[in-house]
Amino acid sequence: GENVEQHPSTLSVQEGDSAVIKCTYSDSASNYFPWYKQELGKRPQLIIDIRSNVGEKKDQRIAVTLNKTAKHFSLHITETQPEDSAVYFCAAIGSSNTGKLIFGQGTTLQVKP
Amino acid sequence: NAGVMQNPRHLVRRRGQEARLRCSPMKGHSHVYWYRQLPEEGLKFMVYLQKENIIDESGMPKERFSAEFPKEGPSILRIQQVVRGDSAAYFCASSGLAVNTGELFFGEGSRLTVL
Repeated sequence: GENVEQHPSTLSVQEGDSAVIKCTYSDSASNYFPWYKQELGKRPQLIIDIRSNVGEKKDQRIAVTLNKTAKHFSLHITETQPEDSAVYFCAAIGSSNTGKLIFGQGTTLQVKP
Repeated sequence: NAGVMQNPRHLVRRRGQEARLRCSPMKGHSHVYWYRQLPEEGLKFMVYLQKENIIDESGMPKERFSAEFPKEGPSILRIQQVVRGDSAAYFCASSGLAVNTGELFFGEGSRLTVL
């Protein structure tokens, strides 16, 4: 069935270092890959997304890369700050017919000052 | 635009009772999704609805759970005869277009505790 695997489950970095979170997906028809950030007790919020017609997208300190052949995509955060600490979820379209998003298991990022 | 509104934010029920969770999508949005999040776990898809129609309920348990999105009023997720394993945060999300062409906006969630 439709599946999105996300690694690592936890990630601890020093302030100013980079953080990389990786995801793989199973549905080759997936064409939309968003990333969400969820702070403790809060709603998930979209931080960046990428569509299958591009291989990379950047927005200030965050970037996402997509490899459709290998069916994996990654989130890169540079110059991390303590306020980047949160749970990050990747997602992919689970079915091109209904368009539901299938989420990865989440990565808890801790940025140490 | 008030965003996606969910209520109640917190709900406590005893085993065997019913839980009703409500979601008002963003103004102009006709696509509603319900997700369940267990403590320290990811978001599990439950059901996708458009006005008066269930599009995809493949993630929703066949028994005790139901969802609706009537022509007028909020979307309702209903859990009958709740059990302790139903304790979770239930998030509603909406989009104005199919999600692969439009952003999915989440509500703040409804946290259900079953005693």
